[in-house]
Amino acid sequence: DIQMTQSPSSLSASVGDRVTITCRASQSISSYLNWYQQKPGKAPKLLIYAASSLQSGVPSRFSGSGSGTDFTLTISSLQPEDFATYYCQQSYSTLSYTFGQGTKLEIK
Amino acid sequence: EVQLVESGGGLVQPGRSLRLSCTASGFTLGDYAVSWVRQAPGKGLEWVGFIRSKAYGGTTEYAASVKGRFTVSRDDSKSIAYLQMNSLKTEDTAVYYCTREGVRIVVVPAATVRLDYYYYMDVWGKGTTVTVSS
Repeated sequence: DIQMTQSPSSLSASVGDRVTITCRASQSISSYLNWYQQKPGKAPKLLIYAASSLQSGVPSRFSGSGSGTDFTLTISSLQPEDFATYYCQQSYSTLSYTFGQGTKLEIK
Repeated sequence: EVQLVESGGGLVQPGRSLRLSCTASGFTLGDYAVSWVRQAPGKGLEWVGFIRSKAYGGTTEYAASVKGRFTVSRDDSKSIAYLQMNSLKTEDTAVYYCTREGVRIVVVPAATVRLDYYYYMDVWGKGTTVTVSS
């Protein structure tokens, strides 16, 4: 199975900060990488698909980049509603998807 | 409104079975693959399995942790997908989400035309809780 490793596992930041979360795959997955946001007690929400495509309705302060094994999710200017847990997920292997362990973004 | 609604969760003893349902509305379920994802208390997301649309064979894939015990099926005439869970273990305790698999198809110029399929979970239900305990 393809392993997905996110860093950091947790992060403290302030409103207005620029934040970057990293996701690394155990093998090349081209651009088959998605990002989700989850708030406590809620279902996850798709933010970015195919590594860099912004899902409809998602604010443009969210962006994704990378290909191969290294990917990043960037929030250009943190808003209060962005404090949540973020997950990456690979869809390269259509036999078995995997998620990263999550990055919890907290208010400093 | 496009939505998925899970049902069928509850408290079940180890070794017993449970069937979850995922009812779709606002779109044609038959046009999409459906994945199930679970989240144990205080833990991250774990993909459980999926079923492709009939157009792509309606075949299924499973995570190693549930293979042989869980079965995903679908009834497109009713707009429902199912997750049949047998031989349940305490470690199966989780919130179970069903998701719609959106797809972006990219034509890749090459000596022979190639299509790349980018799948992503674009619609999620609110989840149903399964507790496996004696």
